[in-house]
Amino acid sequence: ETGVTQTPRHLVMGMTNKKSLKCEQHLGHNAMYWYKQSAKKPLELMFVYNFKEQTENNSVPSRFSPECPNSSHLFLHLHTLQPEDSALYLCASSHPWEAGGDYEQYFGPGTRLTVT
Amino acid sequence: AQKITQTQPGMFVQEKEAVTLDCTYDTSDPSYGLFWYKQPSSGEMIFLIYQGSYDQQNATEGRYSLNFQKARKSANLVISASQLGDSAMYFCAMTLPLSGSARQLTFGSGTQLTVLP
Repeated sequence: ETGVTQTPRHLVMGMTNKKSLKCEQHLGHNAMYWYKQSAKKPLELMFVYNFKEQTENNSVPSRFSPECPNSSHLFLHLHTLQPEDSALYLCASSHPWEAGGDYEQYFGPGTRLTVT
Repeated sequence: AQKITQTQPGMFVQEKEAVTLDCTYDTSDPSYGLFWYKQPSSGEMIFLIYQGSYDQQNATEGRYSLNFQKARKSANLVISASQLGDSAMYFCAMTLPLSGSARQLTFGSGTQLTVLP
């Protein structure tokens, strides 16, 4: 399997549930990202991991908890979400930035999350 | 604040014609990168083309070219010979430094392109 994969593709959860989104990349990258895409809004960067270390948390509520056990896997743990958290959650990966260059990010297909 | 502006929420183009999607950006950082991504209805973001702020020539990738005008801070995407499969949402994005060695990708609001047969 190649590229960036995300599971599940669709998720419906109640506000009291706990669920996790999974992202896996087979591109040999060392930087991974979580984005949120809500209807009629630009993509919002949520978390960045560079060599398994979290380097950015863009003021994301604590009900979203990321985990990066290794450079190929990224999780987003969800608990006590709100209906406004319904969105498409995209994972991406890229080469790390330590070389000073710019590298394109490769995206997974996303998880369509609905919070009821 | 750094930002990306796409002023065309929707565009229509006839099949086999060329189309230009506008993108302007605002940053005070001298080092940045500009990207265009395509997002079909399936949801996946597909990388199309990249332009570095220090690149002297406009980037080209097959039918895609980036019209980079640094002084005007614009990075328009030109798609030549449009195909029905080009119908999708197109996002302009810019990388900016984050803490440490990481860089952030900031996206515009997107342009929905529809190719007409």
